[in-house]
Amino acid sequence: NAGVMQNPRHLVRRRGQEARLRCSPMKGHSHVYWYRQLPEEGLKFMVYLQKENIIDESGMPKERFSAEFPKEGPSILRIQQVVRGDSAAYFCASSGTSGELLDTGELFFGEGSRLTVL
Amino acid sequence: QKEVEQNSGPLSVPEGAIASLNCTYSDRGSQSFFWYRQYSGKSPELIMSIYSNGDKEDGRFTAQLNKASQYVSLLIRDSQPSDSATYLCAGDSSYKLIFGSGTRLLVRP
Repeated sequence: NAGVMQNPRHLVRRRGQEARLRCSPMKGHSHVYWYRQLPEEGLKFMVYLQKENIIDESGMPKERFSAEFPKEGPSILRIQQVVRGDSAAYFCASSGTSGELLDTGELFFGEGSRLTVL
Repeated sequence: QKEVEQNSGPLSVPEGAIASLNCTYSDRGSQSFFWYRQYSGKSPELIMSIYSNGDKEDGRFTAQLNKASQYVSLLIRDSQPSDSATYLCAGDSSYKLIFGSGTRLLVRP
């Protein structure tokens, strides 16, 4: 299955620790989006990346959160010094091109990484 | 702040009925709109897209778009218990999708 792969699926951290979430886009896709979903809420856009570039990070909190999509390897969403309010499901989605996104709207989503902060 | 608004529900309909889900958006620059379905604990999956004013039908699903009113809707005919899920409306904004908070649909057998 060459779908969007996220890991870990579940992650438990204590307050103050770091969380690293990984996303490998669908084969052939070079655009990655991260969304956060709080319980019983919709998907909130966080960041849009292409290889080695952050295109739009308007949804990222100003502190403790960072994202990268290196030339080789998966995209990583990093949360430093986690707090209980960071507990959520973090979804990664990929598309082939931004033009394709507008044409089809098909963001291919991973199964999500569920972060629990104790 | 570009927003997409939906009633959270739950919307409860009997099996076989028509379920009507609605959505409004604030970004007049949005050109493309999408409905995603999300089962509990699962990832969203695309079920309908619509780009032009009017109706678009696909099987039991009909999407409707009115750009003048900034309004999008999804009709599900002959609702089945398996349609019970959260339905997320999304619109494009600057090469990304902005999602509404979702409407939970419950189809009673």
